[in-house]
Amino acid sequence: DAGITQSPRHKVTETGTPVTLRCHQTENHRYMYWYRQDPGHGLRLIHYSYGVKDTDKGEVSDGYSVSRSKTEDFLLTLESATSSQTSVYFCAISESGRSGEQYFGPGTRLTVT
Amino acid sequence: GEDVEQSLFLSVREGDSSVINCTYTDSSSTYLYWYKQEPGAGLQLLTYIFSNMDMKQDQRLTVLLNKKDKHLSLRIADTQTGDSAIYFCAERVAQAGTALIFGKGTTLSVSS
Repeated sequence: DAGITQSPRHKVTETGTPVTLRCHQTENHRYMYWYRQDPGHGLRLIHYSYGVKDTDKGEVSDGYSVSRSKTEDFLLTLESATSSQTSVYFCAISESGRSGEQYFGPGTRLTVT
Repeated sequence: GEDVEQSLFLSVREGDSSVINCTYTDSSSTYLYWYKQEPGAGLQLLTYIFSNMDMKQDQRLTVLLNKKDKHLSLRIADTQTGDSAIYFCAERVAQAGTALIFGKGTTLSVSS
């Protein structure tokens, strides 16, 4: 498995609280991504990063922010969690080669009550 | 627009072949991927194919690509109970940089 860890693996939080999810990689890959997975929707891209301090929005970025201060870490922050953000969150990494395959972390299950 | 469609369920008997189908709409797709997700786990990359190829074989897995019809399939030979999982098709669209567009996934159920 690619060296990707996510923390925490499970979290329950209350509506309105801030939440930060962490993705850590040991592969030194350039690209990192945050997806959310919901029943009936598959995986949808939230934000991605193409280098340290370089990030861009994905399909479902509203209510989320990201930061990448080091190659190995990509943080996803929910500034004020809402029940609609209850989901499973996956981090992925990719090298900048032609084929662009992505490798996924184990996921974080977030429940907002 | 970008869209990837898959059938939601497939049920097969152990030892049979499974064929999971996928259609995509963006003709500028460069690479197409198949991922497997077991319960409670992340997505595992199974294989991928470049858009100028029409077939790729990797042990029990065969990927067929019909670029004219924008149709991708994954064939699993001699399907085992351990192959029960959700299978996702994904495309890489040049205009989106390296982002992938995923289908909603096909749940494969293998009975013994």
